[in-house]
Parts: sequence; C-alpha cells; structure tokens
Amino acid sequence: GAGVSQSPRYKVTKRGQDVALRCDPISGHVSLYWYRQALGQGPEFLTYFNYEAQQDKSGLPNDRFSAERPEGSISTLTIQRTEQRDSAMYRCASSSLGHDSGNTIYFGEGSWLTVV
Amino acid sequence: GQQLNQSPQSMFIQEGEDVSMNCTSSSIFNTWLWYKQEPGEGPVLLIALYKAGELTSNGRLTAQFGITRKDSFLNISASIPSDVGIYFCAGRSYGQNFVFGPGTRLSVLP
Repeated sequence: GAGVSQSPRYKVTKRGQDVALRCDPISGHVSLYWYRQALGQGPEFLTYFNYEAQQDKSGLPNDRFSAERPEGSISTLTIQRTEQRDSAMYRCASSSLGHDSGNTIYFGEGSWLTVV
Repeated sequence: GQQLNQSPQSMFIQEGEDVSMNCTSSSIFNTWLWYKQEPGEGPVLLIALYKAGELTSNGRLTAQFGITRKDSFLNISASIPSDVGIYFCAGRSYGQNFVFGPGTRLSVLP
C-alpha cells in the first residue's frame, strides 16, 4: 500500500481479554517495527522484524506481549490477558532497507488501545 | 541504555519567527531522524541525516548532524501556524534500534 496501515484504529477491551493489532507495512518494505507511544511522549521500541524473522524483541514489556510476521509482510502484535497499564497507542513502522543500513522509518497512524 | 534529550521541551513563538531546537544523546549515533507529529496523527518524517556534519534542508526546515555525533539540530525559518506540533528526534547507533526523544512542543501565535 501507499502507507503503513494499522487496524483497528481504536480498540476498547475488558481487562483479561486478549487483543490482536494488525500492521500492513509499505509494500516491499523489508523491516517492520512495533512501537508504543504514551500520550505526550516519544515512541518506545517494542520489537522489529526483517522479513519474517523477529530480530529483536527486547522492548516487549513482558511475556504477555508477542508479535509475528509469518510471511514477511503483515504483522500482528498480540497482547494476552490485557491489563489497564497496557492502554496506549501502538504504532507500527516500516523501512525499505535492512535494519543495519542507513535508512528511515515510516509510521502508521497507530492503534489506540484502551483496557477497561 | 541510550537516552535522548530534547530542548526546549516546549516553545511559544510568533508567526514569522525562526525556531531552533536540539537533541542530545548519551551515545554516538550514526543516523539521526527528525519527525513532526500532529494531534491524532502518526509521526511524519521530516529529515534524515547519515553523516557527521551533514546539513540537510527540506523547505523551511534545516537539520544538522552534530560533529560530535552526539547531537542534532533542527531549525525552522519564518514559522507559520501549520508548523504547530510536536517535533521528535530519533537516533541510533550501528546495529542498535532507533530511540526517540521526548519531543519539543511548538506553538505558533498569529
């Protein structure tokens, strides 16, 4: 697609439920990143993929968070047994070159998660 | 871990004035990015810098990759109301992930 597309844009879920957030990167982009952004703060790194391989998941807060990109394109960030502290904007980004090249990352509009 | 500081945290300027903001790192970076974010939108890339000392312009915006490789600067000339937003810097060292600064909030008064 023309830009990074995320869905849903807004999700309200009850505490304890699982949620899945989807990201469709810019067509042909090799690297895909997940960030979390609190209101008024800069994006905080969660995890990233080169093609289908998850290269770094050091930013995932705990084992309730997981991500996959099985075919090297669309990615899903899953949060199990959601807690209120998980409420945040989750942003996906992609870049055209591999992670270790000089490159730039382009963001989607984000998925706003509210856990009640 | 790597941390970025942005200065100033916020600024109020008159339309037409020039704006300067900076970003400093505790680590040496090999890439600097500057983004603008408006309410309800995702960060939009403004300028990317890849070499120490590099000076790059995008319209009224000019950014520089500091010679020490631990800082970067963004200048906006002749500000207009649509320049309002939060400006984030992001940087990374080779093999590391991008880290983002806390942002500089710009308000432009007519």
